[in-house]
Amino acid sequence: AQSVTQLGSHVSVSEGALVLLRCNYSSSVPPYLFWYVQYPNQGLQLLLKYTSAATLVKGINGFEAEFKKSETSFHLTKPSAHMSDAAEYFCAVSEGNNDMRFGAGTRLTVKP
Amino acid sequence: DTAVSQTPKYLVTQMGNDKSIKCEQNLGHDTMYWYKQDSKKFLKIMFSYNNKELIINETVPNRFSPKSPDKAHLNLHINSLELGDSAVYFCASSLGGTTYEQYFGPGTRLTVT
Repeated sequence: AQSVTQLGSHVSVSEGALVLLRCNYSSSVPPYLFWYVQYPNQGLQLLLKYTSAATLVKGINGFEAEFKKSETSFHLTKPSAHMSDAAEYFCAVSEGNNDMRFGAGTRLTVKP
Repeated sequence: DTAVSQTPKYLVTQMGNDKSIKCEQNLGHDTMYWYKQDSKKFLKIMFSYNNKELIINETVPNRFSPKSPDKAHLNLHINSLELGDSAVYFCASSLGGTTYEQYFGPGTRLTVT
């Protein structure tokens, strides 16, 4: 079965600094990969998804992620953090069977 | 228009009671889900329905019973509530096929006292 590991339960960056949130996956077939963001007291919102097209995926709010099959990774980056980026971020994997598995989440804190 | 809606948003109840959470999606999606998010933000799938048929049924107590009256609705009924059931419950839906992203509702915060 597919699974996801997010390295670092908490990441803290300064405003304007690079954001890097790490995600490694395990899947027996070519995976579909997703990043979601959860703001306090809200549901999850899709940031971006990889579905076997371009390996570099651009999402909303300036985020992007790169699929690296050799490293089984799908790390999320943003060149310059904004205060409004503070939230919980979830990486998720699906094997294309309507069954999506989420990582444990990474809390991003942005310092002024 | 809200794509995936849940009611109620907050639910406070006592141990032993029975409660239901309702979910509706107006996206025309075929598949709906229930997730439980614990206090550490861990998100665990509970159930999934496709066109009113149960397709994923994770290991959850049989006190939890999903019901899908039609493709747009998936309700969650919980019997004999326990303290450990306190969590945020999210409903989600997806189109299926080659589009697997899920759209989430705002969540229902259940507190069992």
